[in-house]
Amino acid sequence: NAGVTQTPKFQVLKTGQSMTLQCAQDMNHEYMSWYRQDPGMGLRLIHYSVGAGITDQGEVPNGYNVSRSTTEDFPLRLLSAAPSQTSVYFCASSPRATYNSPLHFGNGTRLTVT
Amino acid sequence: AQSVTQLDSQVPVFEEAPVELRCNYSSSVSVYLFWYVQYPNQGLQLLLKYLSGSTLVKGINGFEAEFNKSQTSFHLRKPSVHISDTAEYFCAVIQTGANNLFFGTGTRLTVIP
Repeated sequence: NAGVTQTPKFQVLKTGQSMTLQCAQDMNHEYMSWYRQDPGMGLRLIHYSVGAGITDQGEVPNGYNVSRSTTEDFPLRLLSAAPSQTSVYFCASSPRATYNSPLHFGNGTRLTVT
Repeated sequence: AQSVTQLDSQVPVFEEAPVELRCNYSSSVSVYLFWYVQYPNQGLQLLLKYLSGSTLVKGINGFEAEFNKSQTSFHLRKPSVHISDTAEYFCAVIQTGANNLFFGTGTRLTVIP
């Protein structure tokens, strides 16, 4: 049981480039989310999804797009990377979009934008 | 809207000493509270959660936390820490009926041999 898998583990981009961070879970979880982790700021929610075909914005959605075409996958797209998007990105999932379901986290993608 | 404040960004403590990591929250409605732990180069793992009932909740690895509604706090404690407890600890809150967890800024616990 792989849990939540994020790829790549590391990525370096130049300003203006685009890329997609991949997230897949094999637990049939309804809820999936993306967070970014920055020093001194904790984790901030970027986007989330409560099921296939449904997405919504979190605290810091600007510069990022998401889609949820299947239950398993929840990719995060950076359309035009900026240095301010240098961060560690975590994907997380839970069985249901309720308080009673703990989040399962991937191991993160460390992104550097130069 | 809810918010979470972790008052200490870093806490050094000697091995086998007790530790308390502080967390305060604010919300206009009822909330549920969580502590997550992040070991180096890993994602976060659930340590414990408070949903209702007894205000003292026990988690994994000997940690416990006490919910104090009047002081809007949810401090994490361990009576005797080990080297392996060195990690970053995050307090998190979710409003009842909401979908999303909001995290504090984290406390880095360093256990000194």
